[in-house]
Amino acid sequence: DTEVTQTPKHLVMGMTNKKSLKCEQHMGHRAMYWYKQKAKKPPELMFVYSYEKLSINESVPSRFSPECPNSSLLNLHLHALQPEDSALYLCASSQPFNGGLASTDTQYFGPGTRLTVL
Amino acid sequence: RKEVEQDPGPFNVPEGATVAFNCTYSNSASQSFFWYRQDCRKEPKLLMSVYSSGNEDGRFTAQLNRASQYISLLIRDSKLSDSATYLCVVNRDNTGKLIFGQGTTLQVKP
Repeated sequence: DTEVTQTPKHLVMGMTNKKSLKCEQHMGHRAMYWYKQKAKKPPELMFVYSYEKLSINESVPSRFSPECPNSSLLNLHLHALQPEDSALYLCASSQPFNGGLASTDTQYFGPGTRLTVL
Repeated sequence: RKEVEQDPGPFNVPEGATVAFNCTYSNSASQSFFWYRQDCRKEPKLLMSVYSSGNEDGRFTAQLNRASQYISLLIRDSKLSDSATYLCVVNRDNTGKLIFGQGTTLQVKP
């Protein structure tokens, strides 16, 4: 069973709605990630937080706003999304990268939130 | 050219078969390497990390060839439950950013 949890499992929203996705991990990891995955494609990185600070933003549109309130929690705030933003949104966590030690930089994924934008 | 390349398949094999997947990566400075498994409409799950010395976990064996920049996964005695997409994943720098291959689909048939 995954130790990374995500809520909600499914979300349907209109283009004018504001919603938030939530992620929580209890593995003591200090790096957390948001990915977007479309059908039959690999996950695409959106954001990386390391020690609760945003370290990577992969040029994600501002209608997606991440937040890391503490070392266990990661949120993704959604506003004015487009239908093409419909996808599976995955959260992951790991220890912060440690020079190629696979045992420490392995990322563990949550079950995802399946988002549909109408 | 994609940074991590895999044959998307699908690989259709009978139960009990041995199947091998290969993956190539273009950045010679890549640091760590993984195989993840993803079932339909589920999250990717770590199958195994891949080390230069090779590693084995039950029916699964992974190999890394740094000189040729390729990674392999061998599955012996395939089970129906092995049917999934197998993602080759590379962690290429000190940011923790994972680079995913497109995935190889395996279908094991009775």
